[in-house]
Amino acid sequence: NAGVTQTPKFQVLKTGQSMTLQCAQDMNHNSMYWYRQDPGMGLRLIYYSASEGTTDKGEVPNGYNVSRLNKREFSLRLESAAPSQTSVYFCASSETANPSYEQYFGPGTRLTVT
Amino acid sequence: AQSVTQPDIHITVSEGASLELRCNYSYGATPYLFWYVQSPGQGLQLLLKYFSGDTLVQGIKGFEAEFKRSQSSFNLRKPSVHWSDAAEYFCAVGARSGGYQKVTFGIGTKLQVIP
Repeated sequence: NAGVTQTPKFQVLKTGQSMTLQCAQDMNHNSMYWYRQDPGMGLRLIYYSASEGTTDKGEVPNGYNVSRLNKREFSLRLESAAPSQTSVYFCASSETANPSYEQYFGPGTRLTVT
Repeated sequence: AQSVTQPDIHITVSEGASLELRCNYSYGATPYLFWYVQSPGQGLQLLLKYFSGDTLVQGIKGFEAEFKRSQSSFNLRKPSVHWSDAAEYFCAVGARSGGYQKVTFGIGTKLQVIP
């Protein structure tokens, strides 16, 4: 059982380049999330998708776009990367958007923007 | 809006010693409380959670946490630490905000275990 998978694991971009981070879950979860993790700041929510066909902004959405491609897949796109987007990105999923349900996390993507 | 404070950024304990990681939260009602662990290079894994009922909750890997409403705390404990417990630990509070689950994470406590 793979759980939540993310690709790529590592990426280096130059300022202004674009890229898409991929996330997939095989647990039939309705809700999916994108977080970024920065030292001393914990995890901050970028975007989430409460259910297939819906997406909404989290705390730090600027510079990002998302697509809920289907129930399994939720991608995060950086249209024009900036050094401030250097971070570790985690995708997560949960059965529903109810806050009582735990989130399951992928292994992360370490992104460096030079 | 809810918030979470983990006052200890880094803790070092000897293998076999007891452990307590502190977490304080701010929220108007009883929140959903979680502790997650992150091993190096890995995603977060749930250790335990509290919603209601017994204020002492048991989790995986021998961890437990106690909810104290009067102190707005949800401290994580383990009676005897193993070297494999070295990791970063995140306290989180979940609450419904508008129409979605808002989970706020603390900044984490990095645990070092020395022989």
